[in-house]
Amino acid sequence: KQEVTQIPAALSVPEGENLVLNCSFTDSAIYNLQWFRQDPGKGLTSLLLIQSSQREQTSGRLNASLDKSSGRSTLYIAASQPGDSATYLCAVRHSYGGSQGNLIFGKGTKLSVKP
Amino acid sequence: SQTIHQWPATLVQPVGSPLSLECTVEGTSNPNLYWYRQAAGRGLQLLFYSVGIGQISSEVPQNLSASRPQDRQFILSSKKLLLSDSGFYLCAWTSRQGESPLHFGNGTRLTVT
Repeated sequence: KQEVTQIPAALSVPEGENLVLNCSFTDSAIYNLQWFRQDPGKGLTSLLLIQSSQREQTSGRLNASLDKSSGRSTLYIAASQPGDSATYLCAVRHSYGGSQGNLIFGKGTKLSVKP
Repeated sequence: SQTIHQWPATLVQPVGSPLSLECTVEGTSNPNLYWYRQAAGRGLQLLFYSVGIGQISSEVPQNLSASRPQDRQFILSSKKLLLSDSGFYLCAWTSRQGESPLHFGNGTRLTVT
């Protein structure tokens, strides 16, 4: 059974710092991995989607990497801003279901960026 | 562009009352549709998913049910709510074609009293 773990559960950094959020998964047979952002009381916003054949994806100040063999992904946020404060979740889609497989979510890392 | 609408945003219901949450997607056809529940400290739990009209798969046994009467409409229901049904309910969709991310609605905060 696929399990997704995100450590730490919470992180507080000063504004301007570069930071890395971690995601690990137990079964390396994944189809893709997705990073989301969730603001309090809101739905999830998709940030980056990495296919199993890819090593990384970039969007603005965000860079997500994937090491399928070791069961790890990282989300790198450059020059953090108070507006980046949110909970970040990663989710993996198992290769069994292909593009139609269901996502398994981690519990998220709550990021707080202090001005 | 595609958008997903979910309502109501908040709901307070007594134990034993019925439930109906609605979700609609615009700007796409034949989406896969999902209902998730997010409880404090427990992460996101997939409740139901649908790959087409009338096709519903349940991931977790419970007193909730789902229906898909139209291609872009997904409804979550219950005949009698339990206290344990309280939580944040999220509808989501993804395209069936190619590599597509999962997109979420803004969620419904349900409190059963």
